[in-house]
Amino acid sequence: EAGVTQFPSHSVIEKGQTVTLRCDPISGHDNLYWYRRVMGKEIKFLLHFVKESKQDESGMPNNRFLAERTGGTYSTLKVQPAELEDSGVYFCASSQRGSERGYFGPGTRLTVL
Amino acid sequence: RKEVEQDPGPFNVPEGATVAFNCTYSNSASQSFFWYRQDCRKEPKLLMSVYSSGNEDGRFTAQLNRASQYISLLIRDSKLSDSATYLCASITGGGNKLTFGTGTQLKVEL
Repeated sequence: EAGVTQFPSHSVIEKGQTVTLRCDPISGHDNLYWYRRVMGKEIKFLLHFVKESKQDESGMPNNRFLAERTGGTYSTLKVQPAELEDSGVYFCASSQRGSERGYFGPGTRLTVL
Repeated sequence: RKEVEQDPGPFNVPEGATVAFNCTYSNSASQSFFWYRQDCRKEPKLLMSVYSSGNEDGRFTAQLNRASQYISLLIRDSKLSDSATYLCASITGGGNKLTFGTGTQLKVEL
């Protein structure tokens, strides 16, 4: 069974540019989560989708971040415009309905210059 | 105060040693706890869930102490391949979102 995949694996952009990260969860997983780890800090929750609906977006840092999950399959996380402090590793995780066990993707390493 | 706190280490131990990590949590309403392992530049992978009764998986033993609000991970007979960062995590409330500690780095040496 394929795991959670994320694209791109790395992205280097300049401050003010736009970047879109993609996550493909494990097939059949209703729950999809985005997390972020910035340098030297812990992995922090950003938001949670149940199918196509945003269940919890309490961790989104500000309105420069927009997440979507149209059709309840893959999800995108857009950062527009990117700032220096957005640099970090963005992880996606998915899980089956009702399960606490989340499976993480390999992450996207974002560097904003 | 961080919701989940860990000693960042590093813990440098010889192969074959026993090593223990503790993690404290501040929210008494947290209902589930986990240990994840993260290798350098990789994603976190679930190592084990943690129960009040304690649970063991081979060389790994996890324990939850709700009264003192900490969880522990014991690794016996350390292997070189155990070198990694160990993250503790909790779930509080619905939605099953994870709250992580910063991780404890373990280096097992010859």
